[in-house]
Amino acid sequence: QSVLTQPPSVSAAPGQKVTISCSGNSSNIGNNFVSWYQQLPGTAPKLLIYENDKRPSGIPDRFSGSKSGTSATLGITGLQTGDEADYYCGTWESSLSPNWVFGDGTKLTVL
Amino acid sequence: EVQLVQSGAEVKKPGESLRISCMGSGYSFTTYWISWVRQVPGKGLEWLGRIDPSDSYTNYSPSFQGHVTISADKSINTASLQWTSLRASDTAIYYCARQVCGGDCYLLNWGQGTVVTVSS
Repeated sequence: QSVLTQPPSVSAAPGQKVTISCSGNSSNIGNNFVSWYQQLPGTAPKLLIYENDKRPSGIPDRFSGSKSGTSATLGITGLQTGDEADYYCGTWESSLSPNWVFGDGTKLTVL
Repeated sequence: EVQLVQSGAEVKKPGESLRISCMGSGYSFTTYWISWVRQVPGKGLEWLGRIDPSDSYTNYSPSFQGHVTISADKSINTASLQWTSLRASDTAIYYCARQVCGGDCYLLNWGQGTVVTVSS
């Protein structure tokens, strides 16, 4: 059980929009940036969003991120079957030494 | 093109030692931290720790401190993850990732993963 809480699964139809939440506290999300990672089946994770709302080169603007207080949200619009994957949020956990933490992950199903 | 190429799959017995590696190319290896991430089959991502290849300074997750060792050899652009005594619960895919730190840090590039199987 991670310190970052994500819904185990979300689903939506092709073309629709979906949001995935990531909830933490003041020791992690509340005082640090959040990044999001997509893991397609059988592949390595890939960075989707960094510093809460920035997209790396090559990531389409269908993917967006936001943060408010101790929660962050990943949004995906114009869903495609190729978006079916596991999605993870990640951030620093403030402690005596830097400790990176991931959420438990959310399985996206495109119906 | 930035690439992180990891060593191949390993099958080991409990109690054995193991070192897996991650070679970076296409960027200045000593400029960016390398993190290691574990994924137990069917489970989520877990951060083990990271190393600054310029001076081999390390940070470890409290959950893995003392069980794994992260090292780097900047002369061959390679980071390593090692165990002195493997357990069956170490069976997982292990990824290395280049950590970019600007306003904050994030894992920009990932290796292809190394499958480690520990079984008697």
